[in-house]
Amino acid sequence: DGGITQSPKYLFRKEGQNVTLSCEQNLNHDAMYWYRQDPGQGLRLIYYSQIVNDFQKGDIAEGYSVSREKKESFPLTVTSAQKNPTAFYLCASSIPNRGEQYFGPGTRLTVT
Amino acid sequence: RKEVEQDPGPFNVPEGATVAFNCTYSNSASQSFFWYRQDCRKEPKLLMSVYSSGNEDGRFTAQLNRASQYISLLIRDSKLSDSATYLCVVNMKTIFGAGTRLFVKA
Repeated sequence: DGGITQSPKYLFRKEGQNVTLSCEQNLNHDAMYWYRQDPGQGLRLIYYSQIVNDFQKGDIAEGYSVSREKKESFPLTVTSAQKNPTAFYLCASSIPNRGEQYFGPGTRLTVT
Repeated sequence: RKEVEQDPGPFNVPEGATVAFNCTYSNSASQSFFWYRQDCRKEPKLLMSVYSSGNEDGRFTAQLNRASQYISLLIRDSKLSDSATYLCVVNMKTIFGAGTRLFVKA
């Protein structure tokens, strides 16, 4: 089955710890994205990558970092510099410059 | 002004009703438009693209009004299973609206 996987589904961390969220896709898409969604809110773009070894900041990149060493993988690290990291994190992929994005099931991160 | 704006709702409608949502965008150079559906605590899923000529998929009709810079989604004969949040997406830089919540009651 082609699709996007994110793991884990739920993640709990202590304040001050960095945490890395996994995102893998086998859709052969060049473009991948990370979004953050807070309760009752829309999606906000954290980082995106149009091609391997290249990525750009989105609207709320502060406190986050990414890498894109492989086409299939786009991990997101939530660093201790992120002031309010508790949120629902969604990864997506698409053909570059197309709006039809396909989402993974998301990771709910809780930091206490 | 926000780049993409939606009425957050909620819209509470009875089964069988027709309901319409609008989504306005500020960048007149925007090229592509989409509606996504998001169920509670789940990921968004593509519902339909919005073409210049308008398009229909069963009970769902999407339209684009470039002059007034908005897209619309019409749902006919609402089902209980249509209850969800509907997100519009405007693509120059893939901007998601905050979503419109719909509740369909029996």
